[in-house]
Amino acid sequence: AQTVTQSQPEMSVQEAETVTLSCTYDTSENNYYLFWYKQPPSRQMILVIRQEAYKQQNATENRFSVNFQKAAKSFSLKISDSQLGDTAMYFCAFMKHLYLGGSQGNLIFGKGTKLSVKP
Amino acid sequence: DTGVSQNPRHKITKRGQNVTFRCDPISEHNRLYWYRQTLGQGPEFLTYFQNEAQLEKSRLLSDRFSAERPKGSFSTLEIQRTEQGDSAMYLCASSRGEAKNIQYFGAGTRLSVL
Repeated sequence: AQTVTQSQPEMSVQEAETVTLSCTYDTSENNYYLFWYKQPPSRQMILVIRQEAYKQQNATENRFSVNFQKAAKSFSLKISDSQLGDTAMYFCAFMKHLYLGGSQGNLIFGKGTKLSVKP
Repeated sequence: DTGVSQNPRHKITKRGQNVTFRCDPISEHNRLYWYRQTLGQGPEFLTYFQNEAQLEKSRLLSDRFSAERPKGSFSTLEIQRTEQGDSAMYLCASSRGEAKNIQYFGAGTRLSVL
């Protein structure tokens, strides 16, 4: 069974600074996807960034980038130029490739990291 | 594209009562997922539908839980004889079912069982 571990329950960063959130996972699969979702207080979960396991190049989305280390099973999220609106719970999630046998496409989430951006 | 809609946003009930939640997915999304999120935890998978067919149920989904998706459109999740342990946020997500299966989440229904 796959597991996702986020070892930092809470983090804080000053506005405009850079912060890195950690995520490790365990799987025997070779084809899978990794995601970071953001859940602002009392609001819906939003996809921040995704990474396909077969791609060596790290994904980037504006101020958000990942450091994907497949051999180490590590998938950290870097937020540059932090903004007050980045304050939220951040969840790392794993999904087995949808078209592999037995995959239902459901996400397996870590426990989350609560990020506070301070002015 | 109006997003995933869930109703009600909050539900307070007494132990032993039945409750039903509704999820309206993004139109033309053929996959619909239900997750449960308890305090301090990430969401956990409950069940999913491809069109109107319920194809997988987690062991978390006891016999008191039932889900439907008639005509492959909206879905309902019913909990019978609620228990205090059912208190949680119930999240719905939908996707097109392509390989990367990007899931779009609703705001959730928060259930409190007294």
